[in-house]
Amino acid sequence: GESVGLHLPTLSVQEGDNSIINCAYSNSASDYFIWYKQESGKGPQFIIDIRSNMDKRQGQRVTVLLNKTVKHLSLQIAATQPGDSAVYFCAENSGGSNYKLTFGKGTLLTVNP
Amino acid sequence: DVKVTQSSRYLVKRTGEKVFLECVQDMDHENMFWYRQDPGLGLRLIYFSYDVKMKEKGDIPEGYSVSREKKERFSLILESASTNQTSMYLCASGSQGAGNTIYFGEGSWLTVV
Repeated sequence: GESVGLHLPTLSVQEGDNSIINCAYSNSASDYFIWYKQESGKGPQFIIDIRSNMDKRQGQRVTVLLNKTVKHLSLQIAATQPGDSAVYFCAENSGGSNYKLTFGKGTLLTVNP
Repeated sequence: DVKVTQSSRYLVKRTGEKVFLECVQDMDHENMFWYRQDPGLGLRLIYFSYDVKMKEKGDIPEGYSVSREKKERFSLILESASTNQTSMYLCASGSQGAGNTIYFGEGSWLTVV
């Protein structure tokens, strides 16, 4: 079956550094991707999304890059802060209604002061 | 801002009890979802609903049922709770159609003893 996975389960960075979290997907029909942030004990929070007709999208301190050739998605966080410490996971929509979202397992980002 | 509210954050129930988890969204979204989240397994879809009184099974519907009598409210029912249903339950909602993100509530931690 199709799956969404992550290269690194944990990532530790120093405050002020940039963070890059990666996600591989295997369904070439996927046309919409989302990044979520989940803090301990809370529900996932939408960060940023990107459609398959784009290869880059920027938000506030975050950038998502999409490489359809190698089916790779990344989330870049600039000037990482302690408040960015959380689990980050990607989701893909392989087409149709959004109930077909497939979620990755997540990467734990730890920001050291 | 989108608001998805799960009325119970922490519950402890006994094996065999009937459990109701309630979820309300304030964005007039057509789609609503119930997921469970377990360590190492990520988010798994239990049921979703694309309209009032309409429901579809997700990936792990066994042992659960749902009710959607009003557009803004989606309830998850455990007819006879079992210990393997101890988990974090997440409600989400989203607009209909591909390319629309879904927004999560804060989660309900259920422990079945």
